[in-house]
Amino acid sequence: RKEVEQDPGPFNVPEGATVAFNCTYSNSASQSFFWYRQDCRKEPKLLMSVYSSGNEDGRFTAQLNRASQYISLLIRDSKLSDSATYLCVVNPPSDSNYQLIWGAGTKLIIKP
Amino acid sequence: GAVVSQHPSRVICKSGTSVKIECRSLDFQATTMFWYRQFPKQSLMLMATSNEGSKATYEQGVEKDKFLINHASLTLSTLTVTSAHPEDSSFYICSARPKAGAGYTFGSGTRLTVV
Repeated sequence: RKEVEQDPGPFNVPEGATVAFNCTYSNSASQSFFWYRQDCRKEPKLLMSVYSSGNEDGRFTAQLNRASQYISLLIRDSKLSDSATYLCVVNPPSDSNYQLIWGAGTKLIIKP
Repeated sequence: GAVVSQHPSRVICKSGTSVKIECRSLDFQATTMFWYRQFPKQSLMLMATSNEGSKATYEQGVEKDKFLINHASLTLSTLTVTSAHPEDSSFYICSARPKAGAGYTFGSGTRLTVV
């Protein structure tokens, strides 16, 4: 089992729709979780951290389910500019270098 | 916000030559810098962790003599791809964490093409 797994997609979604995708992680003691966005041939950019109580930033909502070991990202009122690959990132515990474990990404395509 | 400056953004080199990639943290001190490689349609793969003032830690399968890392100051880490071959062609990205608990900031990446 991979340490961090994501559905690669692509998710083809009409503009204005709501879309959600999950990411599962294998290490139950993982401490920090993030969602990054990566546009084609560019570096990843932090979209949002994921907090235990769930958090929202505008149209984006992130949630953590420790019992089932997954995090989710919900995008409401999707825009064409949301088209990108969304990377789930997990920070495993007891790692003094704070290494990250990356999912392979979920590709999202918003269609007009 | 925290910025990591990486250059060059794009380099084409001949097989057998060496290429140096630089990453600078512009407004914070990066005691640790992470170097990743990303092949097309794949996720980022950690190559090595660069620690200021000490030797880098390499991931399994990454040749330390081929990918030389120097982290001589708190704001600069370099990755040198020595004797590059076409299979080394990839997108190389550095990353650092401005502070504990914060997200990681990435350089803009270097697209290396070895011909």
